[in-house]
Amino acid sequence: GENVEQHPSTLSVQEGDSAVIKCTYSDSASNYFPWYKQELGKRPQLIIDIRSNVGEKKDQRIAVTLNKTAKHFSLHITETQPEDSAVYFCAARGGYSTLTFGKGTMLLVSP
Amino acid sequence: NAGVTQTPKFRVLKTGQSMTLLCAQDMNHEYMYWYRQDPGMGLRLIHYSVGEGTTAKGEVPDGYNVSRLKKQNFLLGLESAAPSQTSVYFCASSYSNRAHYGYTFGSGTRLTVV
Repeated sequence: GENVEQHPSTLSVQEGDSAVIKCTYSDSASNYFPWYKQELGKRPQLIIDIRSNVGEKKDQRIAVTLNKTAKHFSLHITETQPEDSAVYFCAARGGYSTLTFGKGTMLLVSP
Repeated sequence: NAGVTQTPKFRVLKTGQSMTLLCAQDMNHEYMYWYRQDPGMGLRLIHYSVGEGTTAKGEVPDGYNVSRLKKQNFLLGLESAAPSQTSVYFCASSYSNRAHYGYTFGSGTRLTVV
């Protein structure tokens, strides 16, 4: 089955800095890669996603890049703010839209 | 429009007890999923369903059973709870249409088995 590796497990940045989280996947048939943000005690919320026919997608301060050849994708957050502090999960889509998730990255943004 | 509703939100079980977690969605989604979330492990797929009357195993199905008798409901059962099943359980649903892959998650059930 699909295997998704996510790095780093924790990331500390100063407010205003950029943050990058990287994921690799194993199944070359995967064609959809979402990113979720989860605040403490809350449900995961979709923040951005990318399909395999696109190399990059942006939404304000958040961007995702995909390299299908290398089977890796990354989340980029610019101008980080304290409210960006949360756990971020990457995922890859398999059959019947099942998602395999990475183990998560705890992002801490210090004022 | 409530989205995905999970009940109960919290539960404490004794080892060997049984319980059922209920997931209900009002978005007419075809696909439904049960995940468990443990610290440092991300979300792992327990079982899923692609339509009324169908179920399939995910990555970690042992110790759980599921049923989907109605399209809007997906039940997760623990027949004989074990401490290893202490976790936060999330239900999710999605369309089958390739134009809409995104999940809608429920708010979760925090289960403790003592």
